[in-house]
Order: sequence, then structure tokens, then C-alpha cells
Amino acid sequence: EIVLTQSPGTLSLSPGERATLSCRASQSVSSNYLAWYQQKPGQAPRPLIYGASNRATGIPDRFSGSGSGTDFTLTISRLEPEDFAVYYCQQYSSSPRTFGQGTKVEIK
Amino acid sequence: QVQLQESGPGLVKPSETLSLTCIVSGGSISGYYWTWIRQPPGKGLEWIAYTKKTANTDYNPSLKSRVTISLDTSKNQVSLSLTSVTAADTAVYYCARGHYDFNLWGQGTLVTVSS
Repeated sequence: EIVLTQSPGTLSLSPGERATLSCRASQSVSSNYLAWYQQKPGQAPRPLIYGASNRATGIPDRFSGSGSGTDFTLTISRLEPEDFAVYYCQQYSSSPRTFGQGTKVEIK
Repeated sequence: QVQLQESGPGLVKPSETLSLTCIVSGGSISGYYWTWIRQPPGKGLEWIAYTKKTANTDYNPSLKSRVTISLDTSKNQVSLSLTSVTAADTAVYYCARGHYDFNLWGQGTLVTVSS
């Protein structure tokens, strides 16, 4: 099983700042089969990124994904008020599908 | 557009079987993979299982002995059965489309296991 470790656990930033979230895998994620989701309280996760760097439909271009192998990054270039939420990475390189434990982006 | 709506009992007693349904509207379930994912209160996400048809089904090994996922194309719905539930199975259960990344999610249904 591929274990995904996200860091930091919490990121305290102000609107307009840049957010950099990390997702590290316990073994290589082949073909960059890694996705990112955003979740707000009481809501289902919202797909953001698939294939490590491809934005899902309707996702603004301030969200970008990068990385390969075991190290992946989600970057939010300029935080908007609606971006404060919890973010999860997920690998689909192997079974079982696994998620990271999440990074909470909170308002400083 | 395609929408997913989960439904379930809300409250289940320990040792009983949990049964959930996801009704898909706005499109056919045929030709797609469908997945169940759960999230205990205040915790992270756990993938449970996916299926497209019987020959294309996979389960999380941690739950495999207790879980069954199935499709009913006549009703356009996806079902999940989880046997011998305990308090650890208390969670919001989500239905989602896909078996790689999950590109469409239902709103989830909370299931509490308690006597």
C-alpha cells in the first residue's frame, strides 16, 4: 500500500498569499497518477487536479499541481477567501487507492 | 448534468449490516466505474471499493471480508453492503465516479453505528 504523507498539517496564510502544499509517497507513484481535492466543512471533496498537473473542469488557473515519483506539490498562487479549506492528495497508481491525511489552509 | 445522491439508514446497530444506495441521475451508470469512499467524523478519506461490473471490481483489503459493491443498471444505482459493523464504521459515506481519480462526488450520507 502506498502511504501518502501531506505537509504541513496546517498552513496559516492571508488572502493574496501563495500556498504550497506537499504530498510525499512511500513509493513511486507511476505515471504521475496523483490527484488533489479540496474539501470545505460539510461538503464533499471537490476535484482539483488529476495526473499530478491537470486541472479538473472549472478549476481556476491559480491552482497548479506539479511533481513526479514520490514528491508532489499543489500550489495556490494567490489565495482567495474561498480557498481556505482542507486539501487531500490521492494516488491511483496502485491498489488500494489511498489518500493523504490532509492539509488545512486557514486564514492567518 | 450527472448527479449522485446517496441514501442510507442513518443509524445502524453494532453487528448489523449497513446497506447504502447511490442513485445516479442525468446519465447512465453503464460504461463507468463507480466507487464508495468514507470519512469518519473529523478524519480523512478512506477508499472502500469500486466496480464497473462484476469482473471489474476491487476492494480495500482492510474491508474486503465485509464489503460488497454492486451495480443495478435497471435502476441506475450503485449499492454498498457492509456487514458486522462496529463504531469504527461510523462515517460519512460518499459515492463517486471513477476508479483512478474521482471526478464526480455525491453529497454523502452520514451513518452512525450505535446501540
